[in-house]
Amino acid sequence: NAGVTQTPKFQVLKTGQSMTLQCAQDMNHNSMYWYRQDPGMGLRLIYYSASEGTTDKGEVPNGYNVSRLNKREFSLRLESAAPSQTSVYFCASKKAGSGETYEQYFGPGTRLTVT
Amino acid sequence: DAKTTQPPSMDCAEGRAANLPCNHSTISGNEYVYWYRQIHSQGPQYIIHGLKNNETNEMASLIITEDRKSSTLILPHATLRDTAVYYCIVWSNSGGSNYKLTFGKGTLLTVNP
Repeated sequence: NAGVTQTPKFQVLKTGQSMTLQCAQDMNHNSMYWYRQDPGMGLRLIYYSASEGTTDKGEVPNGYNVSRLNKREFSLRLESAAPSQTSVYFCASKKAGSGETYEQYFGPGTRLTVT
Repeated sequence: DAKTTQPPSMDCAEGRAANLPCNHSTISGNEYVYWYRQIHSQGPQYIIHGLKNNETNEMASLIITEDRKSSTLILPHATLRDTAVYYCIVWSNSGGSNYKLTFGKGTLLTVNP
């Protein structure tokens, strides 16, 4: 299993440009997540998808959109990038179900710089 | 969600046990204690979790106090590769709120030769 994969690994954007960060998992997990991590900070949840066909906002959703394309893939889109969105973005996935306590598996991250 | 308090940094000598504390005094009955770590520039890695009983796996041991208000992660024989930020998280899957895995700032553990 590759686990959770993310593309690209690095990206530089100019202010106002758009881009989509891709995430895929091959563990047949129901739930998927997007986090951002700023220097010296913990992870903050942007959006999540509890199951295929559903998406919900996390702590910091402004400026982002997501698509749960299928059970494997969960993409994050920046429509008009801003310097404040310079960060490292992590995708994660987890088996899910009420009452269950599965751990999240994280991808290697995408390092995004907006100039 | 309950919040956690961890020291910002700790040092440990290579080969010795690393004991990382976490306070979670407002934890509720259905919340689990999870530990993750993040090695520099990598994605977080799950270590261990528990509810009431102490737990052990191939990576670490988790000791939870009887009142569940605090816990300690133990790395029995720390190596240089264990240098990382360690996150203590309390989390509940009840009520469909299974997204609320909130990462704080964690403890930077530095293992010294």
